[in-house]
Amino acid sequence: AQSVTQPDARVTVSEGASLQLRCKYSYSATPYLFWYVQYPRQGLQMLLKYYSGDPVVQGVNGFEAEFSKSDSSFHLRKASVHWSDSAVYFCAVSSNSGTYQRFGTGTKLQVVP
Amino acid sequence: GGIITQTPKFLIGQEGQKLTLKCQQNFNHDTMYWYRQDSGKGLRLIYYSITENDLQKGDLSEGYDASREKKSSFSLTVTSAQKNEMAVFLCASSIAPGGRGAETLYFGSGTRLTVL
Repeated sequence: AQSVTQPDARVTVSEGASLQLRCKYSYSATPYLFWYVQYPRQGLQMLLKYYSGDPVVQGVNGFEAEFSKSDSSFHLRKASVHWSDSAVYFCAVSSNSGTYQRFGTGTKLQVVP
Repeated sequence: GGIITQTPKFLIGQEGQKLTLKCQQNFNHDTMYWYRQDSGKGLRLIYYSITENDLQKGDLSEGYDASREKKSSFSLTVTSAQKNEMAVFLCASSIAPGGRGAETLYFGSGTRLTVL
């Protein structure tokens, strides 16, 4: 079965700094990969997803992620974070034949002045 | 655009009580899901449904029942609430026909459960 690992429970960055949130997946075939964001007291919203093709995918609000088959990773990046990016970020994995997405444990991002 | 509405937003129950959570979506999506969110454990799937009257167990189905009598609604029942249990239950839907997991999930804002 597919699974994802988000090794960092909390990440703190300064406003304006760059960001990388890590995600490692486990799946024998080509996975479908997602990043979701959860703002306080809200549900999750999709930031971006990867199916195939260009390993760098662009998402909303300046986020991008890079798929690496050799490293089994799908790290999320942003060049310059804003205080409003403070939230919990979840990585998820599925397959085209799979019936549901499996989520990581999430990374809580805090952007400080 | 559409919306997923979960009721109630907050649910306080007693140990051993049967509790029901409700979810409505107006996306006209085929597939609906119930996930449980615990601090530090991410989201774990309880039940999903690929069409009206269909139910499929997820990784965490023990202790729960679900019902999908209409395409637009999906309810979850905690059959016997556990003392000191605290969690957020998230309902989601996707357009995926046949329940394919490759489609984007759209989430409600959750029901927060506290068991005294």
